[in-house]
Amino acid sequence: AQSVAQPEDQVNVAEGNPLTVKCTYSVSGNPYLFWYVQYPNRGLQFLLKYITGDNLVKGSYGFEAEFNKSQTSFHLKKPSALVSDSALYFCAVRDMLGSQGNLIFGKGTKLSVKP
Amino acid sequence: KAGVTQTPRYLIKTRGQQVTLSCSPISGHRSVSWYQQTPGQGLQFLFEYFSETQRNKGNFPGRFSGRQFSNSRSEMNVSTLELGDSALYLCASSFGGPNTGELFFGEGSRLTVL
Repeated sequence: AQSVAQPEDQVNVAEGNPLTVKCTYSVSGNPYLFWYVQYPNRGLQFLLKYITGDNLVKGSYGFEAEFNKSQTSFHLKKPSALVSDSALYFCAVRDMLGSQGNLIFGKGTKLSVKP
Repeated sequence: KAGVTQTPRYLIKTRGQQVTLSCSPISGHRSVSWYQQTPGQGLQFLFEYFSETQRNKGNFPGRFSGRQFSNSRSEMNVSTLELGDSALYLCASSFGGPNTGELFFGEGSRLTVL
């Protein structure tokens, strides 16, 4: 079965420091990978995606993610964290075994950025 | 361009009642998906509609149903509500077709079942 795992329930970072939110995946075939962010009492906002091509994907709000096929990982990164980055982050993979490919989400990682 | 609109944003029901949630996708998007979000189970896929046809379904009981209209607006219905149905229900839209693209989510409908 296709799945994603986010091994950390919470990540704590000081403002100005780099941040990494981890994601590993398990898929049959080529992975279509996504990162979303959710602020309290809000829906999910798309950050970035990897379909094919460059392993380093740049997205919204200064975030980027590195696709690593050998390690089956797709970690989210940002060089300098902001307090406003504090939110819940979800990694997702397209389930291409389904008829048209719904998204399968990880459990989410709560990012807390302290001043 | 207006985003995905979900109504109502909040609602409270009692066990045994039914509820209908509405979703208006981004203009031009023909695919609408529904997800249930709970603290314990996370985000779980309910179903997806494209051009008024359900083309993908998650692992939920038959009490959960949906439909899509010719203008791409979608509704989902939950009958005979149970306490465990309390959740944030999220609707997402996309252009449709080969699904390698991202989904655009609404703000969600928060359902509380008492």
